[in-house]
Parts: sequence; structure tokens; C-alpha cells
Amino acid sequence: AQTVTQSQPEMSVQEAETVTLSCTYDTSENNYYLFWYKQPPSRQMILVIRQEAYKQQNATENRFSVNFQKAAKSFSLKISDSQLGDTAMYFCAFMKPKSNYQLIWGAGTKLIIKP
Amino acid sequence: ETGVTQSPTHLIKTRGQQVTLRCSSQSGHNTVSWYQQALGQGPQFIFQYYREEENGRGNFPPRFSGLQFPNYSSELNVNALELDDSALYLCASSRPPGTRDYGYTFGSGTRLTVV
Repeated sequence: AQTVTQSQPEMSVQEAETVTLSCTYDTSENNYYLFWYKQPPSRQMILVIRQEAYKQQNATENRFSVNFQKAAKSFSLKISDSQLGDTAMYFCAFMKPKSNYQLIWGAGTKLIIKP
Repeated sequence: ETGVTQSPTHLIKTRGQQVTLRCSSQSGHNTVSWYQQALGQGPQFIFQYYREEENGRGNFPPRFSGLQFPNYSSELNVNALELDDSALYLCASSRPPGTRDYGYTFGSGTRLTVV
């Protein structure tokens, strides 16, 4: 069975700093997807970034980028120039295609951006 | 395009009662998934509906059931409520499994409290 581990329950950084959130996963699959979702107090899960395992190039979305290390089964999220609005819970999730595409989630990291 | 809408936003039920939660999918999405998120944890997959049929189920008892309607909206029903059912219930819609750039759009959830 697949598992997703986020080892940092909480992190805090100053505004404009760079922060990296860690995620490791365990799977025997070769083809899968990885996601980072943000959950602010509004409770809605918002997609931050997505990575297909077959792509060697790390995904980037504006200030957000990932370091995908397939052999190490590591998928960290880097937030550059952090902003107060980045304060939220961040969840790493794994999806195996052709298994009803369910998401398997980590326990989350609470990120606090301080002014 | 409209997003995913869930109702109600909050409700309180007594142990042993039954509850129905509702979800309207995003325009263009015909697949709906339900997740349970206990306080301080990542979401857990309950089940998914595609073309009005259950398309996979997580480790939840049969008292958790669902429906999908021709307009792709969905209901989650929970019978014989237990205190441990207290959680945030998230609905997510998506295009058909296997679609390019497959991904979920989440609603803001229903907070269920069982007393």
C-alpha cells in the first residue's frame, strides 16, 4: 500500500524568505502523480503544484517549485519570496492512476508566514 | 465556470442519527469523490462516483453510502452516526479518470459534529 509522510508538523518563516516543505512516499509503482495542496482557514483544498512521475523536469508554478527525487521517493515543495497569504496547511498527496485515482494524503504541515 | 459547491457548511447531529451531505460538481466535471478529514489529519478517501456508479471505495463501512445524479451532483449519506464520524467532509470533482491533466477541484467542505 502507498503511504505519504510529512515529517514537519509546523514551520514558520519571515515574510519574503524561502521555505521548503518535505514529503516522502512509499510505492512500488512506476507511474503515478504527486501533488501539493494548500488548505487555508477557508477549508478548501487548493492545488499548488502537480508532478507526473514520468517527467524528470521539476514542476514550477510562479513562486512554487518542487524537488522531485524519484529514486529517493522524495517530493519537497519550495516557496520563494513567501507572502502572508501563504499561511495555511500544506498537504502532499499521491495518486496512482487506474486505481480509481484516489488521492493518498500526508498528515500535513502547518506553515506560518510572519510579518 | 462554477466551482464545487457543498451544503450545508456546518451541521450538528446526535449519535445514531442519519445525515445527507450534498455536492455540486464543477462545470465540465463528471466524476465526484468524497473524502473525510478528521481534525489535524490528512483526508481519507471514502468513495468515488463516475457515470452515476461507485468507482472505488476506501476503508469505510457500508453505513457510508452515496449517489450521483444525472447532472453529476452527488450525495454522501451516513447512517447510524458515531462520535468518530465528526470530521470535515470534502467533495472533489474532476474530469473522467485518465483525462490529460487529470486533477481535482475541491469544495469548502461540510463540518459535521456528532454529539
